[in-house]
Amino acid sequence: NAGVTQTPKFQVLKTGQSMTLQCAQDMNHEYMSWYRQDPGMGLRLIHYSVGAGITDQGEVPNGYNVSRSTTEDFPLRLLSAAPSQTSVYFCASSYSPLAGVYNEQFFGPGTRLTVL
Amino acid sequence: GENVEQHPSTLSVQEGDSAVIKCTYSDSASNYFPWYKQELGKRPQLIIDIRSNVGEKKDQRIAVTLNKTAKHFSLHITETQPEDSAVYFCAAGYSTLTFGKGTMLLVSP
Repeated sequence: NAGVTQTPKFQVLKTGQSMTLQCAQDMNHEYMSWYRQDPGMGLRLIHYSVGAGITDQGEVPNGYNVSRSTTEDFPLRLLSAAPSQTSVYFCASSYSPLAGVYNEQFFGPGTRLTVL
Repeated sequence: GENVEQHPSTLSVQEGDSAVIKCTYSDSASNYFPWYKQELGKRPQLIIDIRSNVGEKKDQRIAVTLNKTAKHFSLHITETQPEDSAVYFCAAGYSTLTFGKGTMLLVSP
């Protein structure tokens, strides 16, 4: 199994550009999520999904869109990039689809995004 | 929403010493408390977790304790080794996870 994969590893954007960060998992996990990691801030939840066709906002959703058309894929879209979105982005997945019934979250390798 | 505070932000110990990292949480509905280790440039990896119906859990040199009444939980690492040097994150949650800001642990030989 490849686990959780993310592409690209690195990306530089100009302010106002759009792009999609890709995330895929091959573990048949129902729960997937996107976090951003900034120095001294820990990991902050952007959006999450408890199954195909279901998404919800996390702590810092503004400026980001997600969709979940398949169990395997959970792309994160930046509609109009801003310097404040410079960060490392991690995708994660876990088995349990049930709220309040947690299983281990597996993280992808991350995407380092710089917005100029 | 949930708020997780983590202390200390940095911790330096000598090899062989013990290290303790403490976290507090605010939402009494939280029932899952994982700890992640993140080495420089790498992804976070789960090292141990505990659920709200358990007070303590051990796995070799690491242990986690949970005090639901006081809403705090702690990570204990005994006999630290240089390879334990990393950033450690606690988290708490029910349907989503809220992470602490991390503790940079440095173990000197």
